[in-house]
Amino acid sequence: DGGITQSPKYLFRKEGQNVTLSCEQNLNHDAMYWYRQDPGQGLRLIYYSQIVNDFQKGDIAEGYSVSREKKESFPLTVTSAQKNPTAFYLCASGQGVPDTQYFGPGTRLTVL
Amino acid sequence: KNEVEQSPQNLTAQEGEFITINCSYSVGISALHWLQQHPGGGIVSLFMLSSGKKKHGRLIATINIQEKHSSLHITASHPRDSAVYICAVGAGNTPLVFGKGTRLSVIA
Repeated sequence: DGGITQSPKYLFRKEGQNVTLSCEQNLNHDAMYWYRQDPGQGLRLIYYSQIVNDFQKGDIAEGYSVSREKKESFPLTVTSAQKNPTAFYLCASGQGVPDTQYFGPGTRLTVL
Repeated sequence: KNEVEQSPQNLTAQEGEFITINCSYSVGISALHWLQQHPGGGIVSLFMLSSGKKKHGRLIATINIQEKHSSLHITASHPRDSAVYICAVGAGNTPLVFGKGTRLSVIA
């Protein structure tokens, strides 16, 4: 089946450690996105990529890094520089302008 | 940057009621999206609109471009409709801007 997978669903890390969240899509979409969701707030864009080997910062990119070496994959690294990393992280992909975005199931990251 | 406001923030309805969720935005757009997020966190795209009205089952979405306003209606609501409904807007090739969502609870 076509879709977006994120792994793991739940992730626990100690403060000060970097952690990488996986996002893979088999929809052949050019664009991929990472969002952060906190209670009572809308989704906020961290990074997005509209083509392989290119990506742009979103509204809250500080403390995060990404890569887009393959069309199917857009991993997000939460670095120790991110001051409040505990949140729900959603990956999405889309195609066309404007695009309908397809979302992954999300990863809930808890930093202890 | 576009600002997206949704109302109400929270909504409780009895099964069978007709439900309306509203979304207003501040700047011209090329498309407006309605999304549904269930308690597990997964998000599903319900509609993408650039004008007029769309219907899918018991869900109806309308948009008024001149007034910068959209509504999502649910007819004959059911407990399984309980979710967070999110409005998002896009302009051209720019990333979507999301509202904070409306939490709907439908009670049997």
